[in-house]
Order: sequence, then C-alpha cells, then structure tokens
Amino acid sequence: AQSVAQPEDQVNVAEGNPLTVKCTYSVSGNPYLFWYVQYPNRGLQFLLKYITGDNLVKGSYGFEAEFNKSQTSFHLKKPSALVSDSALYFCAVRALMNTGFQKLVFGTGTRLLVSP
Amino acid sequence: GAVVSQHPSWVICKSGTSVKIECRSLDFQATTMFWYRQFPKQSLMLMATSNEGSKATYEQGVEKDKFLINHASLTLSTLTVTSAHPEDSSFYICSARVLGTSFYEQYFGPGTRLTVT
Repeated sequence: AQSVAQPEDQVNVAEGNPLTVKCTYSVSGNPYLFWYVQYPNRGLQFLLKYITGDNLVKGSYGFEAEFNKSQTSFHLKKPSALVSDSALYFCAVRALMNTGFQKLVFGTGTRLLVSP
Repeated sequence: GAVVSQHPSWVICKSGTSVKIECRSLDFQATTMFWYRQFPKQSLMLMATSNEGSKATYEQGVEKDKFLINHASLTLSTLTVTSAHPEDSSFYICSARVLGTSFYEQYFGPGTRLTVT
C-alpha cells in the first residue's frame, strides 16, 4: 500500500536559515508526490507536486522539493526561512485504486517553527 | 482563491446524540467533496468521497450508517455523525474539487473538532 512517513514532529529553524522538512515514501510503481501546508485556522493548501520530470520541483512561497528515487525521499526545502513560514506541513502520495479512483494518502505532518 | 468553510469549527456533544457538520464551497461549484478524519499525531485519513447528487463512496472500514454524507448541492456537503461515541472524537476535514481538475487540486476547509463526552 502507498504510504509516506514524516519522521519529525517538529522542525525548528532561525529566520534566514535554510530549512528542510523530511518525507520518505513507499509506493508500487511511479510515485506521485505532493506537499501541502496548513496555516493556523486555515485549510490545507497545495504547495507543489512531483509527477515526472526534473527531480527538483519548485512550488509556492519559494518552496522546492527534491525527489530522490534511490533514497525514496521527497524532502521539502527553502533556502531562507521566514517567520511566516511557520505552519504545519503535510507530505502526500497518490494511491491509485483498482477502480481507477485516485486519492491522497497523507503523512502525519511536521510542524515548522521559524524563530525571529 | 477558492474558499471552503466548515461549520461548526468545534462541537461538543453527548454520547448517543447525532451531530451535523457542514462543508461549503464559498466561491466555486464543487462537483466532488471529500471528508477526512484526523486523530492526534496521525495522518488525515480519507473517509468518503461524494459527488453532487450521488451517494457517497466510503473507504474501507468506515461505517456508512454511522457517518451519513449528503451532497445535495454544488456548494454544500454535510457529514452527520450518528449515535456518537467518545471514540468518534476527532478532527474532521472536508475538501472540494472542481470538475475537470486533477485529484490533488482540492480546496480544504479549516476542519471541525468533535468531542464526544
């Protein structure tokens, strides 16, 4: 079964420093991978996706993610963190059912805290 | 951008009673809506998918008679937790998708926290 793991409950980083939020995946076949962000009292928002192509994908708010097939990872990165990046981040993978239905399977989420 | 609201944002109910959660797409028509549940320290788990005017499709292990989903219009879906028990206490999140968009292009509501006492 498709799954993703986010090994860190929380990541702390100082403003201006680079940040990484980790995600590893387990899928059969080619992975479709996603990152979503949830700001306080808001719904999840789509950040970026990897389906095919370049291993480094760029998304909203200056975020990027690197797809690494050998390490089965899809870590979220940003070169310089902002205090406003503090939020809950979810990694997700596509699960393709026998019926052709596609759904998202989410990780447990990682809370990012960026200190001034 | 597209906005999805949920009401109420939190609710406390007594064991054995039913509670209804509303999910509305405020500025677009949602042909498909999804209901997720999230327990503390756990992933969002898809409970069911509903298309406007059709019966909901439930994920394996989700009780249809306990979690009633109605998607009667293109802007409103409701989740009714019937005969609630303390183990139903959770964070319920809905999302909505527009016809013709990819499955991952979902707009999520802010969630409803249900506590059953």
